[in-house]
Amino acid sequence: SQKIEQNSEALNIQEGKTATLTCNYTNYSPAYLQWYRQDPGRGPVFLLLIRENEKEKRKERLKVTFDTTLKQSLFHITASQPADSATYLCALEAGSNSGYALNFGKGTSLLVTP
Amino acid sequence: DAGITQSPRHKVTETGTPVTLRCHQTENHRYMYWYRQDPGHGLRLIHYSYGVKDTDKGEVSDGYSVSRSKTEDFLLTLESATSSQTSVYFCAISESKGQDYGYTFGSGTRLTVV
Repeated sequence: SQKIEQNSEALNIQEGKTATLTCNYTNYSPAYLQWYRQDPGRGPVFLLLIRENEKEKRKERLKVTFDTTLKQSLFHITASQPADSATYLCALEAGSNSGYALNFGKGTSLLVTP
Repeated sequence: DAGITQSPRHKVTETGTPVTLRCHQTENHRYMYWYRQDPGHGLRLIHYSYGVKDTDKGEVSDGYSVSRSKTEDFLLTLESATSSQTSVYFCAISESKGQDYGYTFGSGTRLTVV
């Protein structure tokens, strides 16, 4: 069966450090992978999409890598700030005939302390 | 981003009663989705729509039905609510995000079935 695995343990880091979150998947052949941020009581917010032919993508302090051989994506936040504290979700397309529906990982909670 | 409105924001209902949740979008997007989010399970796809009167089932569709009679409205109905359907329900649309695309989520409906 298809699985998307994210570290269930919360990640606690100090302000200014780089946070690295991991997304592993099985039984997917994704053309792309997406990352979302979710704050308590709110819906997820789209951050980045990386395609299968892109090894790395950057957006401001965010960097995402995508290794289709390892079946893994890494999500980095450099120079982290307390405002980056949230849950981060990775997502993959459910299937080629799924109307672009996404399956989500359960998310990793990030806490950045001053 | 598209304007997506979910209603109601909160609802408490009794077991066995029918409940309809509404998702309204303002920008004529073709694809719309209903998810539920529960601790330990993350976001799970209930149903999705790829056009007016065109819908399909997701991972956890049992006990739910949907309708889309107009492009802007996607309704989720619990025909006979059960306590296991207590959850936070999110609606989403798929739209362009610059050169990429991703979901825009509504603010969610917190449903409690007692």
